[in-house]
Amino acid sequence: GENVEQHPSTLSVQEGDSAVIKCTYSDSASNYFPWYKQELGKGPQLIIDIRSNVGEKKDQRIAVTLNKTAKHFSLHITETQPEDSAVYFCAASKNFGNEKLTFGTGTRLTIIP
Amino acid sequence: DGGITQSPKYLFRKEGQNVTLSCEQNLNHDAMYWYRQDPGQGLRLIYYSQIVNDFQKGDIAEGYSVSREKKESFPLTVTSAQKNPTAFYLCASSEGQVAGELFFGEGSRLTVL
Repeated sequence: GENVEQHPSTLSVQEGDSAVIKCTYSDSASNYFPWYKQELGKGPQLIIDIRSNVGEKKDQRIAVTLNKTAKHFSLHITETQPEDSAVYFCAASKNFGNEKLTFGTGTRLTIIP
Repeated sequence: DGGITQSPKYLFRKEGQNVTLSCEQNLNHDAMYWYRQDPGQGLRLIYYSQIVNDFQKGDIAEGYSVSREKKESFPLTVTSAQKNPTAFYLCASSEGQVAGELFFGEGSRLTVL
């Protein structure tokens, strides 16, 4: 089955700096890659997703890049703010199926004021 | 406000007892899911349901049971056969099975004493 590895497990950055979280996946048939943000005591929330026919997608301060050849994708957060502090999960699935989503182990991002 | 409601938020049970976690959604979504979250691990799929009166096992279904008698409701029973039931449980829904945003509840933390 699919295996998703996520790094780093914890990340601290100064407010205003950029943060990058990386994920690799094992199944070359995977074609859907969402990122979820989980704040303390809450359920995860989708922040951005990308499909395999696109190499990069941006939404304000957040961007995701996908390298299908290397089978890795990354989340980039620019101009970080305290409210960006949370746990971030990457995921991958094939056949665009939610039931086949495999999640990474999460990255705890801390923004230092 | 539309969303997913999970209850209870915290639950303590003695070993050997079955417990049922409630999940209700008013988003009119067809698909519903149960995930388990353990420290340092990604979300793992327990069961999912695409339509009423139908559900499928996920990756870690052993020791769990579900029902889907109504579109809005997808309760999860943690049975005494689950060897390590202490965990954080998340319910989610999506419009359909094709990849798209998963909407999560705020979770239920089960502690078995």
